[in-house]
Amino acid sequence: KAGVTQTPRYLIKTRGQQVTLSCSPISGHRSVSWYQQTPGQGLQFLFEYFSETQRNKGNFPGRFSGRQFSNSRSEMNVSTLELGDSALYLCASSFGGPSGANVLTFGAGSRLTVL
Amino acid sequence: GQQLNQSPQSMFIQEGEDVSMNCTSSSIFNTWLWYKQDPGEGPVLLIALYKAGELTSNGRLTAQFGITRKDSFLNISASIPSDVGIYFCAGQLRGATNKLIFGTGTLLAVQP
Repeated sequence: KAGVTQTPRYLIKTRGQQVTLSCSPISGHRSVSWYQQTPGQGLQFLFEYFSETQRNKGNFPGRFSGRQFSNSRSEMNVSTLELGDSALYLCASSFGGPSGANVLTFGAGSRLTVL
Repeated sequence: GQQLNQSPQSMFIQEGEDVSMNCTSSSIFNTWLWYKQDPGEGPVLLIALYKAGELTSNGRLTAQFGITRKDSFLNISASIPSDVGIYFCAGQLRGATNKLIFGTGTLLAVQP
């Protein structure tokens, strides 16, 4: 079956712009989580969506937002981009059951460069 | 952001050697996970641990969930060149669903 698909894979933006990243989860998976990966901070949790509702949120400023659609596809948006937002943004999907750590399947990521 | 203490930071070994890496935390975790990330790819789950003291194997990989629930280790036996990559531990707090806290990573290089 198809894995987690993230688009675009690479993009370059300038400071002050905004960006929208897309994630298509594995068919049947209802939970989508987003992570930011940088050399300095490593992998940091951004947020998780389940059944179109944000279920958990990390410690990121309000410029980072996301949403999930009825078909479980998710988008994240970063507004007023800063140089420090340059990172690999990873999306992960899972069945999203209420308890325990669901097995997360990660996509290949969207690499954002802010100039 | 919060990261787990993972060691060693990097390892350069010969093919056939065994490898050991570990993660420690000041927090008690409900679940420990070990991932491997290849260049240009997302992390791939290797082993999931759900109970304190649990020892789980996946082929040449063995991982354990520490008794204190604050640590975990991963062993790789008889390393091969395709083991090259970055290995991450990740912990999940009780009730945190898919909000994982990742370790700082261990870069593994295997020389044929």
